[in-house]
Amino acid sequence: QVQLQESGPGLVKPSETLSLSCTVSADSMTSGDYHWGWIRQPPGKGLEWIGSVYHNGAPRYSPSFQSRITISVDTSKKQLSLMLISATPADTAVYYCGRYPGYTGYDYWGPGTLVTVSS
Amino acid sequence: EIVMTQSPATLSVSPGEGVSLSCRASQNINSRLAWYQQRPGLTPRLLIHGASTRATGVPARFTGSGSGTEFTLTISSLQSEDFAIYYCQQCNAWPLTFGGGTRVEIK
Repeated sequence: QVQLQESGPGLVKPSETLSLSCTVSADSMTSGDYHWGWIRQPPGKGLEWIGSVYHNGAPRYSPSFQSRITISVDTSKKQLSLMLISATPADTAVYYCGRYPGYTGYDYWGPGTLVTVSS
Repeated sequence: EIVMTQSPATLSVSPGEGVSLSCRASQNINSRLAWYQQRPGLTPRLLIHGASTRATGVPARFTGSGSGTEFTLTISSLQSEDFAIYYCQQCNAWPLTFGGGTRVEIK
């Protein structure tokens, strides 16, 4: 069973950087052929794909976020990271991390973490 | 970027009834479509991948069909736990994209 857990500040000030981590419990981060990604959900709205990174570190980003985000993976720590610069209140959302085997959807998700961007 | 369009936005259904949800892609995505269920306050759950393959543990009342640009999720007899929001996602090309969701509510 693969478990993912997001962590990071629940409150970020406008114009600052939103930084989140996702810790993966299983060895699939190092042993499998997976992408690891971030998805967010603003309050009361739908799902937005932010981006993914392959286990070797090659990232793929949504054009909506590309200029502001960095997604990286540290397989030795079994951690996935998200950095989003110049945060605005529109970035307030529940942020999920997930495992993507490729072509088949995100099969494992973290429980999500709410990040509020507010002064 | 491939745009995913779901319809309708909301479906009002009585328990025990069947329902069909539609998802359309702006270009051919072959069969690389996933469906997710999100119950209130919970994390999305993968239901269907490859347009028609049920994920582990998903009941047989959930059926996915379609290919190319037109896809359907059918729930044959709605149970109380099926009232939720359903999202489709194309997995054919980067960037991955989600549809806006269909809410299935109790009539």
